[in-house]
Amino acid sequence: KNEVEQSPQNLTAQEGEFITINCSYSVGISALHWLQQHPGGGIVSLFMLSSGKKKHGRLIATINIQEKHSSLHITASHPRDSAVYICAVTHTGTASKLTFGTGTRLQVTL
Amino acid sequence: NAGVMQNPRHLVRRRGQEARLRCSPMKGHSHVYWYRQLPEEGLKFMVYLQKENIIDESGMPKERFSAEFPKEGPSILRIQQVVRGDSAAYFCASSPQILGGGNEQFFGPGTRLTVL
Repeated sequence: KNEVEQSPQNLTAQEGEFITINCSYSVGISALHWLQQHPGGGIVSLFMLSSGKKKHGRLIATINIQEKHSSLHITASHPRDSAVYICAVTHTGTASKLTFGTGTRLQVTL
Repeated sequence: NAGVMQNPRHLVRRRGQEARLRCSPMKGHSHVYWYRQLPEEGLKFMVYLQKENIIDESGMPKERFSAEFPKEGPSILRIQQVVRGDSAAYFCASSPQILGGGNEQFFGPGTRLTVL
């Protein structure tokens, strides 16, 4: 079993839909990261959080430390949101190296 | 403030040759991480370096792979005697001084290595 599990693996949505991507982890962490990988391959850090909730534009990330679960929400989705969204964790005491989930491939259509 | 730079962006090598991948961290960042993404697979940690020190190389294959981050110049990931299974995208990330809870990492554009 992977230490970081994401669901769903693939997601297709219509423009304007509210999207939720889930991430569960099985280890103690100091932080959880949400990353976006574009079709061209570049990786962008969206959020780093260790508790509560963060919001940036149409993106919202939440984390529940007790349940070892995080969600990434996209409001009013747009075709330009099409990408792979990757959850990653920094284990407690491992000097910040990241352990990644397998990613959720999102396709937003018109 | 330039982001993380990697070069080359694409590298083609024949089996048995050496591959050298370079990473220049963001200005002011002293921590560098290398990750590998095999085709159709997720990202995997390889090595974590600070200037002149390897902090964690638990993800590095035991043979043929080495990494350095000298006092001056970029970090180098070196793969000797490449094999087809080394074909992958290699990403470098950097962060500033590590705080208690970890730091956000900034990724470079990656080097796509193809071994013929």
